[in-house]
Amino acid sequence: KQEVTQIPAALSVPEGENLVLNCSFTDSAIYNLQWFRQDPGKGLTSLLLIQSSQREQTSGRLNASLDKSSGRSTLYIAASQPGDSATYLCAVRRGGSNYKLTFGKGTLLTVNP
Amino acid sequence: EAQVTQNPRYLITVTGKKLTVTCSQNMNHEYMSWYRQDPGLGLRQIYYSMNVEVTDKGDVPEGYKVSRKEKRNFPLILESPSPNQTSLYFCASSLSRNYEQYFGPGTRLTVT
Repeated sequence: KQEVTQIPAALSVPEGENLVLNCSFTDSAIYNLQWFRQDPGKGLTSLLLIQSSQREQTSGRLNASLDKSSGRSTLYIAASQPGDSATYLCAVRRGGSNYKLTFGKGTLLTVNP
Repeated sequence: EAQVTQNPRYLITVTGKKLTVTCSQNMNHEYMSWYRQDPGLGLRQIYYSMNVEVTDKGDVPEGYKVSRKEKRNFPLILESPSPNQTSLYFCASSLSRNYEQYFGPGTRLTVT
């Protein structure tokens, strides 16, 4: 059974700092991995999708990497801003004919002005 | 505007009273899915559908039903709701499993 873990559960940083969020998964037979952000009381917004054959994806100040063999992904946020404050979730889509998606429990990020 | 819509957004009901939460997407996506989000447990997949008339169980399907008669709609049915189904429910869609998922705004359900 696929398990997804995100560490740390919460992170507080001053504005302008570069930071890394971690996601690990137990079964490396994945199809892709997606990073989301969730604002309080809101739905999920997709940030980046990495296919299993890719090593990284970039969008603006965000960079996500994937090391499938070690079961790890990181989300790098450059020059953090208070507007980045949210919960960040990673989700792994299992391989094969399975369409199931497994989420981590998220990292609550607070960026202080 | 490309979007996933859910209705209702908030619902309070009583144990055993059948209810349906609707989900609709206007992006011609093949894949649709339902999740529930609970404190301490995170997001868990209930059911998903790869295309019209094709559905399969996620990790927590007990007590739920779904149907996919049209590509754009994927309703979630609770035939006899119980208090342990009190949760925040999300519907999501994607073009296929190769593509990113788009989420609806959520439905907060309380069963008393």
